[in-house]
Amino acid sequence: AQSVTQLDSQVPVFEEAPVELRCNYSSSVSVYLFWYVQYPNQGLQLLLKYLSGSTLVKGINGFEAEFNKSQTSFHLRKPSVHISDTAEYFCAVSLLGFQKLVFGTGTRLLVSP
Amino acid sequence: GAGVSQSPRYKVAKRGQDVALRCDPISGHVSLFWYQQALGQGPEFLTYFQNEAQLDKSGLPSDRFFAERPEGSVSTLKIQRTQQEDSAVYLCASSLVWRELVNEQYFGPGTRLTVT
Repeated sequence: AQSVTQLDSQVPVFEEAPVELRCNYSSSVSVYLFWYVQYPNQGLQLLLKYLSGSTLVKGINGFEAEFNKSQTSFHLRKPSVHISDTAEYFCAVSLLGFQKLVFGTGTRLLVSP
Repeated sequence: GAGVSQSPRYKVAKRGQDVALRCDPISGHVSLFWYQQALGQGPEFLTYFQNEAQLDKSGLPSDRFFAERPEGSVSTLKIQRTQQEDSAVYLCASSLVWRELVNEQYFGPGTRLTVT
């Protein structure tokens, strides 16, 4: 079975600084990879997804992620964060041909002025 | 257009009561998912419908949990004889589906269930 590990439960950062949120996965077969963001009292919103092709994926709100097959990682990055980026971020995988998502435990990004 | 809606947004139930949680997917979306998100955790898959057919219910934690989507649109997640461990946010998501292609799942705001 596949699993997702987000080692950092919380990442504090100052406004306009760069940030990286880490995600590692384990699976014996190929997977699709996703990053979702959850603002307080709201549902999850897709930031970006990797299905195939270029390993560098660009998403909404200036976020990007890089798929590294050898390290089974899919880290999320943003070169300059805003206060409004404060939220919970979830990494998720799904198996090829299947629709359900397996999520990590989430990383809370705290952006302060 | 309208997104995925869920009702009620908040539900408090006494242990042993039955509850019903409703999900209205985006119009035309074939696939519908239910996830359970415990406090401080990521969402965990419960069950999946394609139209009215329940194709995967492997994530339902016990036979107290039951989901249906009789007309292939609105879905209801029912929990019988609620227990404290059922306290969580229940998320519904819908997506278009074309065979093996992976489509974005659009999530509703969730129903926060508290069992006292």
